[in-house]
Amino acid sequence: LAKTTQPISMDSYEGQEVNITCSHNNIATNDYITWYQQFPSQGPRFIIQGYKTKVTNEVASLFIPADRKSSTLSLPRVSLSDTAVYYCLVGDGAGGFKTIFGAGTRLFVKA
Amino acid sequence: DGGITQSPKYLFRKEGQNVTLSCEQNLNHDAMYWYRQDPGQGLRLIYYSQIVNDFQKGDIAEGYSVSREKKESFPLTVTSAQKNPTAFYLCASTSQEYSGNTIYFGEGSWLTVV
Repeated sequence: LAKTTQPISMDSYEGQEVNITCSHNNIATNDYITWYQQFPSQGPRFIIQGYKTKVTNEVASLFIPADRKSSTLSLPRVSLSDTAVYYCLVGDGAGGFKTIFGAGTRLFVKA
Repeated sequence: DGGITQSPKYLFRKEGQNVTLSCEQNLNHDAMYWYRQDPGQGLRLIYYSQIVNDFQKGDIAEGYSVSREKKESFPLTVTSAQKNPTAFYLCASTSQEYSGNTIYFGEGSWLTVV
């Protein structure tokens, strides 16, 4: 499984756009890139998933360059409630049996 | 609603006791997982199961045991052999039918040794 590298923490202010980059140099052809959000004492929840180029949903955008060795999660106009830990996962999804979570990125949004 | 149910949310264990955390899913998922999370840390895989009656050790299986007698259930037992069991435990599941699946998590269980 591809190993991922993310910044340990980031700070932002309300209303700003936040970009969190994840490096995954050993990504395989069949791998998807998935981002999760976790609040304290809760299970991680799905934010967005992509394979290549750009994906956008109602909460975030995911940018994936052509070589797919990195990806960037973009959160538009963050609010205090976006303070959480964000995890980048890389895997083929189908029976991603030993899904590996890194330490994630702790995002602090300030007023 | 479909999802994963973990119970109890909070559990206290005395030294030398075994305790079992329950995990039930009604998503019809084949694969189920148990993770441990220590405060301020990421998730570490304890055990996973791809199909009924089969399971594999993860990275930190020592001191834990599991069973998978039914597709929807994957209980985790924290045995007395686990010397530092105080942590947040997360159960998860995923389908294995196609690529691009996402993994679904329960709300977690806090285990504290007293």
